[in-house]
Amino acid sequence: EIVLTQSPGTVSLSPGERATLSCRASQSVSSGSLAWYQQKLGQAPRLLIYGASSRATGIPDRFSGSGSGTDFTLTISRLEPEDFAVYYCQYYGALPLFIFGPGTKVDIK
Amino acid sequence: EEQLLESGGDLAQPGGSLRLSCVASGFSFFRYAMSWVRQAPGQGLEWVAFISTTSTNIQYAETVKGRFTVSRDNSKNTLYLYMNSLRDEDTAIYYCARETPYMDIWGEGTTVTVSS
Repeated sequence: EIVLTQSPGTVSLSPGERATLSCRASQSVSSGSLAWYQQKLGQAPRLLIYGASSRATGIPDRFSGSGSGTDFTLTISRLEPEDFAVYYCQYYGALPLFIFGPGTKVDIK
Repeated sequence: EEQLLESGGDLAQPGGSLRLSCVASGFSFFRYAMSWVRQAPGQGLEWVAFISTTSTNIQYAETVKGRFTVSRDNSKNTLYLYMNSLRDEDTAIYYCARETPYMDIWGEGTTVTVSS
């Protein structure tokens, strides 16, 4: 079974700074099966990135995804106040069908 | 607007049962596979169950297999999750999500609390 590891667990940054979030899979996965979600406190998750690098509808271009094989990255180029949240990577397409990483919390410094 | 709205969350005793519902609006429900995802208090996301458009392909997480049953009624634009033999560790917010196959639309969630 594939395990997703996210790092760091928590990162403290200031608005305007760049955030680089990592998602590592325990074995190579298809880039087409890797997604990123944002979850703000008290809200449902929101799809940000699918297929490792494609932005979902309505997602600002300050969010970008990259990577392949076992290493994937979500980059927020310039943090806006509304970007402070928890970010999850997800692998879809195997049994169990969907696997989530433990999440990275982006805190306001 | 494409929306999902869950209901049915409640306080249940260990060993008890609950039925969750998720009503879809603003899109052709019958065209999409659906999933349930849960989040225990202060924890991350856990996929629970998946159902294909015609209910021919159904999958469960090992943690709920044999206790939970997912179903859908395309005539009512509604997804269900029947939860039996509830355990303390089933306490969570339960979300329904549309599959494309990534989860592009989520409901607001419904809260299930299992406690004596």
